[in-house]
Amino acid sequence: SQTIHQWPATLVQPVGSPLSLECTVEGTSNPNLYWYRQAAGRGLQLLFYSVGIGQISSEVPQNLSASRPQDRQFILSSKKLLLSDSGFYLCAWSEYNSYEQYFGPGTRLTVT
Amino acid sequence: SQQGEEDPQALSIQEGENATMNCSYKTSINNLQWYRQNSGRGLVHLILIRSNEREKHSGRLRVTLDTSKKSSSLLITASRAADTASYFCAYYQAGTALIFGKGTTLSVSS
Repeated sequence: SQTIHQWPATLVQPVGSPLSLECTVEGTSNPNLYWYRQAAGRGLQLLFYSVGIGQISSEVPQNLSASRPQDRQFILSSKKLLLSDSGFYLCAWSEYNSYEQYFGPGTRLTVT
Repeated sequence: SQQGEEDPQALSIQEGENATMNCSYKTSINNLQWYRQNSGRGLVHLILIRSNEREKHSGRLRVTLDTSKKSSSLLITASRAADTASYFCAYYQAGTALIFGKGTTLSVSS
């Protein structure tokens, strides 16, 4: 069966520090991968999605970037965090020809 | 973006009662999905209804879709305390971007 991992689970970082969040998927090949951010009490905002290695699409211009160095690995990064980057970050995957998405447990990021 | 809208924003009921939440959207869709999110956790896919379907059941869940009104509803029958969570509708826009509503927070008390 397929599983999705995210780490770390929680993170507290000062303003201006770098960020690296990692997501890996097991049990599937060539998945579509997604990064979402969820602000408190709000829905999900799609940040990036990837349909293959090295193929990244950005939905929202921002202080963040994403990379997909391996088929089942998706990384969210920032060179310098802003206070507004605080939130709950969720990674998700889907089969390349399927509509349903499957989410990881999320990372709670607090920028201080 | 064409974000979906759930209604109500919050719903409190007693165990055993039914819970109904609604979703409205603004664009043409091929299908609409519902997800559940327990507090501080990731989302879990519940059910997908296609645009040519009007109603779909899964266990205690019943989903309806009215494409003429651009609306969907999720009914949870015989609610349990474990159903306490936020519920989101979601649909695809521009092929790949799954657009989520702001969610309905359901509290089921025993």
